Amino acid sequence: GNSVTQMEGPVTLSEEAFLTINCTYTATGYPSLFWYVQYPGEGLQLLLKATKADDKGSNKGFEATYRKETTSFHLEKGSVQVSDSAVYFCALSDRLSGTYKYIFGTGTRLKVLA
Amino acid sequence: EAGVVQSPRYKIIEKKQPVAFWCNPISGHNTLYWYRQNLGQGPELLIRYENEEAVDDSQLPKDRFSAERLKGVDSTLKIQPAELGDSAVYLCASSLASGTEYFGPGTRLLVL
Repeated sequence: GNSVTQMEGPVTLSEEAFLTINCTYTATGYPSLFWYVQYPGEGLQLLLKATKADDKGSNKGFEATYRKETTSFHLEKGSVQVSDSAVYFCALSDRLSGTYKYIFGTGTRLKVLA
Repeated sequence: EAGVVQSPRYKIIEKKQPVAFWCNPISGHNTLYWYRQNLGQGPELLIRYENEEAVDDSQLPKDRFSAERLKGVDSTLKIQPAELGDSAVYLCASSLASGTEYFGPGTRLLVL
């Protein structure tokens, strides 16, 4: 079945460091891929998405490229800020039996230190 | 534009008591989802509605959980009776037919 695997956290970085959070997936079809962010005490917010192979999603300095050959959608940011501290979820949406279904990874907690 | 609204934000109950959560999706979104998010985990789908029809409730524990979406807009999720293991955050999300899901802030449930 479909699944999403994320690197375990927490990831602890100093401000202005480079960030990579790995995400790989398995899917039977041609899924859309997403990164969601969850700040403390809040719900999930869409960060970026990509709907087909080689697409690059980007938002707020974050980027992720849909790599079909490696089944990956790694999240990157060139210079993190303390305000980026949150939990990041990779997710896929695949059309199964005529309906779309979201599957989320377990989340990766990012801590950015001043 | 208003986002997905959920209430209450927090709920503390004793085990065996009933509890209900309410969700108002983004206007015009015909698809509504209820997820459960355990501590340190990603959201897991409980039920998905398209308009007023529950099209995927395979992960809903039907012995104690129920949901409804009358008139295809607001939705309620009920647990009766609640168990200790039901402590979690219950998230509601909505989307257009096959589009991006937008999440509410969630209801944090603690069962004592």
